[in-house]
Amino acid sequence: NAGVTQTPKFRILKIGQSMTLQCAQDMNHNYMYWYRQDPGMGLKLIYYSVGAGITDKGEVPNGYNVSRSTTEDFPLRLELAAPSQTSVYFCASRHRGRVSEKLFFGSGTQLSVL
Amino acid sequence: TQLLEQSPQFLSIQEGENLTVYCNSSSVFSSLQWYRQEPGEGPVLLVTVVTGGEVKKLKRLTFQFGDARKDSSLHITAAQPGDTGLYLCAGPSHGSSNTGKLIFGQGTTLQVKP
Repeated sequence: NAGVTQTPKFRILKIGQSMTLQCAQDMNHNYMYWYRQDPGMGLKLIYYSVGAGITDKGEVPNGYNVSRSTTEDFPLRLELAAPSQTSVYFCASRHRGRVSEKLFFGSGTQLSVL
Repeated sequence: TQLLEQSPQFLSIQEGENLTVYCNSSSVFSSLQWYRQEPGEGPVLLVTVVTGGEVKKLKRLTFQFGDARKDSSLHITAAQPGDTGLYLCAGPSHGSSNTGKLIFGQGTTLQVKP
């Protein structure tokens, strides 16, 4: 069971370039999330989705876009990359059990914008 | 604005020592979670506490939820090098309407030296 898979693992962009961070999960979870992690800042929510075709902004959405055409995939698009977007990006999906719930995270994409 | 503040931010101890990490807020949370993150990987859920005053144990790790549900602590007994990592507390974002959105503390980096 692969869980949540993110690609690429590392990427360097020049200012103004664009790219898509890929995220796929094979657990049939409806809820998916994109977080960014900066040193000493914890994780901040960028966008989330409660199911295919439904997305919404999180705490720090500026400069990003998402789509959710299938349950499995939740790509994050960066347009006109800026140095402020240098960060580690994590995708997660949510399991809702009868008693508790948990997030499953991918292993992250480390992005540098130079 | 909801905030989760963790202390200390950094902790470097010798193998065998005990330690406590704190997660505090001025807001009441319905539950709090603790995650551990190793370098190059995403966070992994350790525990969820849901009842004020609740204590949960996971081997050498003891988690407590404050009576007023505004704070939590993680105590590690006889720390081992394998405990090294980033520890994050997280709680549901208020008004999240069951979307599963979490806010995270800034994290505590623990280094256990052999």
